[in-house]
Amino acid sequence: KAGVTQTPRYLIKTRGQQVTLSCSPISGHRSVSWYQQTPGQGLQFLFEYFSETQRNKGNFPGRFSGRQFSNSRSEMNVSTLELGDSALYLCASSPTSSGSTDTQYFGPGTRLTVL
Amino acid sequence: AQKVTQAQTEISVVEKEDVTLDCVYETRDTTYYLFWYKQPPSGELVFLIRRNSFDEQNEISGRYSWNFQKSTSSFNFTITASQVVDSAVYFCALSGINSGYSTLTFGKGTMLLVSP
Repeated sequence: KAGVTQTPRYLIKTRGQQVTLSCSPISGHRSVSWYQQTPGQGLQFLFEYFSETQRNKGNFPGRFSGRQFSNSRSEMNVSTLELGDSALYLCASSPTSSGSTDTQYFGPGTRLTVL
Repeated sequence: AQKVTQAQTEISVVEKEDVTLDCVYETRDTTYYLFWYKQPPSGELVFLIRRNSFDEQNEISGRYSWNFQKSTSSFNFTITASQVVDSAVYFCALSGINSGYSTLTFGKGTMLLVSP
């Protein structure tokens, strides 16, 4: 079974631009979560999607948004990029939603650099 | 609020040494799950183990073993006879019923360097 895939793997953007990252979950998995990893703050939860609905959200500004499609693929968008948004963005999938206790399996991440 | 503390920022060992990575957690949930993930230089978080709060049995998987002690809120990870391929950053994580089981709270990670 293929793992979680994320595209692109690397991105370079400039301040003020916007960016869209994509995540395809493991086949059959319906829940997708996003995390931001930075040297200073570590790994922080962004949001979770299940059945095309955001089920849970971390403490991030509204510039960070996401969506999920009917095939469970998910995208996250960051608008008006700031230097501090430079990070590794990790996507994780699990079979069901936040009410379950399923293990999350992570993709390789998208490394975003904001200049 | 939940919190996971990995006090060891970096550990260096020589191949074949045993090494223990510490993890201490805080939660008000009575039902929670603890995890260990490995992050090699490629960046992907690799799942290693999950334990629930009701199961304090220690677990061994090959050279890996985990010691869960609720009394001290610790979930330590030991690698026996370490190998160079074990070099990575290891994260301990926690999820609980109140924050939603799919919301993982991670520690800052411990970088393990195993030299030949």
